Amino acid sequence: QSALTQPRSVSGSPGQSVTISCTGTSSDVGVYDYVSWYQHHPDKAPKLMIYDVNKRPSGVPDRFSGSKSGNTASLTISGLQAEDEADYFCCSYAGTYILYVFGTGTQVTVL
Amino acid sequence: QVLLQESGPGLVKPSETLSLTCAVSLDSISSDNYWAWVRQPPGKGLEWIVSLWSSGTSYYNPSLKSRVTISVDTSKNQFSLKLNSLTAADTAVYYCARVPHRGAAAGISYFDYWGQGTLVTVSS
Repeated sequence: QSALTQPRSVSGSPGQSVTISCTGTSSDVGVYDYVSWYQHHPDKAPKLMIYDVNKRPSGVPDRFSGSKSGNTASLTISGLQAEDEADYFCCSYAGTYILYVFGTGTQVTVL
Repeated sequence: QVLLQESGPGLVKPSETLSLTCAVSLDSISSDNYWAWVRQPPGKGLEWIVSLWSSGTSYYNPSLKSRVTISVDTSKNQFSLKLNSLTAADTAVYYCARVPHRGAAAGISYFDYWGQGTLVTVSS
């Protein structure tokens, strides 16, 4: 099972929107609605931002939204803020042979 | 909120066995959840290693299954990972995490709480 493909980096100015893509296959992202997204600041514990493609855990700002089309899931950050600068990675359920596959990770820079 | 903290040696020699422990706070290790290990080699993406359901059932990444053991110590509210026959390719930051059990097939869930990770270097 190959890793999910994410852009290495994206950037935006405060207040703008950025979208991170997460491309998998018909064996993971394309067939299951169990995509999750995580925010990771250096030397801190990763934080769950989105689960089940588009659901936000309690406490996550509604600036963060998720979606999916075909084999590609996306995370959109609207109204970008300085504290959003971090690494983001996606994860998908991949079936009973290998439960989870992760994305390659995207560094978000707030200009 | 649930806290997880990894501990273990920062440096291990090739061919030896890595032992890591994850201490869990503000949740019981016996609660209806999965407890998982994930790793990230330098400059690479994350890789799921293993998940253990509180019922005792374990699920393994097929690429690592032959070298991995996961166990729980309920008296200390912690769970552990052992990875044997280490090579340089096992150098990574190792994370422990909680995965809610949602009553469906294993894996149809997400990682809701993570530890900060511990760097393990395999080198002689």
